[in-house]
Amino acid sequence: GAGVSQSPRYKVAKRGQDVALRCDPISGHVSLFWYQQALGQGPEFLTYFQNEAQLDKSGLPSDRFFAERPEGSVSTLKIQRTQQEDSAVYLCASSADRETGELFFGEGSRLTVL
Amino acid sequence: QKEVEQNSGPLSVPEGAIASLNCTYSDRGSQSFFWYRQYSGKSPELIMSIYSNGDKEDGRFTAQLNKASQYVSLLIRDSQPSDSATYLCAGGGSQGNLIFGKGTKLSVKP
Repeated sequence: GAGVSQSPRYKVAKRGQDVALRCDPISGHVSLFWYQQALGQGPEFLTYFQNEAQLDKSGLPSDRFFAERPEGSVSTLKIQRTQQEDSAVYLCASSADRETGELFFGEGSRLTVL
Repeated sequence: QKEVEQNSGPLSVPEGAIASLNCTYSDRGSQSFFWYRQYSGKSPELIMSIYSNGDKEDGRFTAQLNKASQYVSLLIRDSQPSDSATYLCAGGGSQGNLIFGKGTKLSVKP
């Protein structure tokens, strides 16, 4: 596709459920980023991949959060045993070149944990 | 903790005026800075990037960077109601990630 595609766009989970959020970056983009954006806040960095290598996962808030990009293209962010504080929009972005900050964002996955 | 700080606003300016948005950052290792615009309910989109001290102009937008003061700004000339959005300042981290501020909400009144 022409842009970054994320699915699902909306997800409602009961507390304690596991969720998986998918990101399909722009074809050929080397770098892929996951951000968490709470209402009224800026995007908070979660993790960053260059191809299949996860170069920085310092922003993952707990060991319940896990991200992978096994073939250097599609990425999945998994949240285990969801908590109410996990409710947020999860943004995926890709970039052709890690040296630039020109990130192209997907529309986000809005997670609501009840 | 590497941080990017912005005044959350809201900043309200009349149509046709200059809007001035400011940002400070803590990581002296950051070499690149960016301004993203985010409309309500939408994802951020890049509007300006700046890598060296001084000014960079692109149409109605001017970005300014002062690395000694760890300060970045964005000026929007001839502000239009369509410029009403949240403006996010971001700095490039040393590991290749991008750290965002909380954003400044701009409202341009007709």
